[in-house]
Amino acid sequence: DSGVTQTPKHLITATGQRVTLRCSPRSGDLSVYWYQQSLDQGLQFLIQYYNGEERAKGNILERFSAQQFPDLHSELNLSSLELGDSALYFCASSIGQAPYEQYFGPGTRLTVT
Amino acid sequence: GQSLEQPSEVTAVEGAIVQINCTYQTSGFYGLSWYQQHDGGAPTFLSYNALDGLEETGRFSSFLSRSDSYGYLLLQELQMKDSASYFCAVREGQTGANNLFFGTGTRLTVIP
Repeated sequence: DSGVTQTPKHLITATGQRVTLRCSPRSGDLSVYWYQQSLDQGLQFLIQYYNGEERAKGNILERFSAQQFPDLHSELNLSSLELGDSALYFCASSIGQAPYEQYFGPGTRLTVT
Repeated sequence: GQSLEQPSEVTAVEGAIVQINCTYQTSGFYGLSWYQQHDGGAPTFLSYNALDGLEETGRFSSFLSRSDSYGYLLLQELQMKDSASYFCAVREGQTGANNLFFGTGTRLTVIP
């Protein structure tokens, strides 16, 4: 158990819908990262927040957005969902801004039908 | 940009030693990280090398050669539970970038 929690574990929704994925980092960690992992694919970095502020952005679609709240939990919002958005979405956290040692949550498996 | 090359698959026998290589190209290098991911599971941090040389943690060791832009993960006394995907990762090249760029992973299969 990494100490990072993610909800929900599974999500099935239809194309065109909007969903919100939630992440709580390990106690004491200030950075939160979001990743997308499609079937047999590597980890694609989406976005990073540090202490409430956006610090790095990857290939995140405009339909996706995220935020980190004062209590440091983070939410990833996915809208106008397409079939290709079906994937595992991981949240990870680290103590500081340096990304080398990250602790991953169990992931949310999103299925768009 | 960044690129990381790792073998896609490796098979090894239980009790043996296996080495998973990673070569990288990046405009700015800070260090090499390794992660393990079992099927259906989350990636787990294994090691980080910022300086040349070998770092040992139990049965796992990681090596870095900055001059060769090369590193490897060494797994000794292989166990069936080591069957998993192993990813190397580097910090994105831009100054101050705060995210990791992951390789496509090496799927290790340990056979009896």
